[in-house]
This record gives sequence, structure tokens and C-alpha cells, in this order.
Amino acid sequence: AQSVAQPEDQVNVAEGNPLTVKCTYSVSGNPYLFWYVQYPNRGLQFLLKYITGDNLVKGSYGFEAEFNKSQTSFHLKKPSALVSDSALYFCAVRVPGTGFQKLVFGTGTRLLVSP
Amino acid sequence: NAGVTQTPKFQVLKTGQSMTLQCAQDMNHEYMSWYRQDPGMGLRLIHYSVGAGITDQGEVPNGYNVSRSTTEDFPLRLLSAAPSQTSVYFCASSYGQGGSHTQYFGPGTRLTVL
Repeated sequence: AQSVAQPEDQVNVAEGNPLTVKCTYSVSGNPYLFWYVQYPNRGLQFLLKYITGDNLVKGSYGFEAEFNKSQTSFHLKKPSALVSDSALYFCAVRVPGTGFQKLVFGTGTRLLVSP
Repeated sequence: NAGVTQTPKFQVLKTGQSMTLQCAQDMNHEYMSWYRQDPGMGLRLIHYSVGAGITDQGEVPNGYNVSRSTTEDFPLRLLSAAPSQTSVYFCASSYGQGGSHTQYFGPGTRLTVL
């Protein structure tokens, strides 16, 4: 069965420092991987996705993610964190073999960026 | 475009009551879905639709019904509410083929069942 793991419930980082939010996946076949962000009392917003091609994917708000097939990871990164990046981040993987995009989500990682 | 809209934003029900959560999108997306979000569990797929008149079950469909009579609307019905259905519900829409399309989420409905 397809699954994603986000091993950290919370990540704390100071503003201006680099940030990493970790995600590992388990899927049969080629993975389609996604990152979404949820701000308080809002729905999820798409950040970026990996389908194929370059292992480094660039997305919205200066975020990027690195696909590592050997480590089955898709960590979210940003070179310099902002206080406004504080939110809940979800990693997700598509279930293969479905025309519809069935997604399996991780449990989420709360990012807190301190001034 | 308003995107994906959901009503109501908040709802309190008593056990056994029924209600419908409304979801609409104005992007002409073919795919729509309902998720529930519970603490420590991420989002789980309840039902989804690949077009008007076509629906299917997701990961946690029990206690919920859906229908898709138009491209725009995808209501979620709770037949007999139970405390275990206390959750935040998100509707999403998307388009495209091959599974690479992006899902657009509504703002959510926070439901409490007493």
C-alpha cells in the first residue's frame, strides 16, 4: 500500500535560516509526489510536485524539494525562512493506477519560524 | 473565479441528525473529492467523482453519501451523524490526466457531532 511518512510533528527554525521538512514515501511504481501547505483556518494550497525529470523541483514562495529515489525521500526545503512560512505542511503521494488523482497524505509537519 | 467554495463553515449536529455539506467549483474541473482531516492523521479521502454522474468510494466512505448531478457541485451527505464524524471536511477539485494535476482545496467545514 502507498504511504508517506513525515517523521517530525514540528520543526522550529529562526527567520533567515534554511529550513527542511522531511518526507519519505512508499509506493509501487514511479511516484508522483506533492507538497501542500495549510495556513490557520484555511484549506490546503499546492506548493510543488514531482512527476518526472529533474530531481530538484522548484515551487511557490521560494520552496523547493529534492526527490531522492534511493532514499525514497522528498524533503521540502527553503534557503531562508520567513515568519510568514509558519504553517502546517503536508506531503502526499498519488496512488498509481488510477486516472483520478487519489492522494495519500502524511500526517503533517508544523513549521514554526521565530523572528 | 471564486475557486472551490464550501458551506457552511461551521456546523454543530446532534447524534443521529442528517445534513449536507455543500461544495461548488467554478473552474470547470472534471474531478472533485471530499477529504476529512483529523488531528495526527492527515487528510483521508471519503468519496470522489471523475465527472457528472460518476462517483466512487475513497478510503473512509462509511456514513457518507455523495452525488454529482452537475460539473460544478459535489455535496456530501451525512445520513445519521455520529461523534466519530467530528472533523474538518475539505472539498477539492482538479483536472487533467495521468494523475499529475493539482488539486484545489476549499476553505473547509468544521463539523462537531455531539
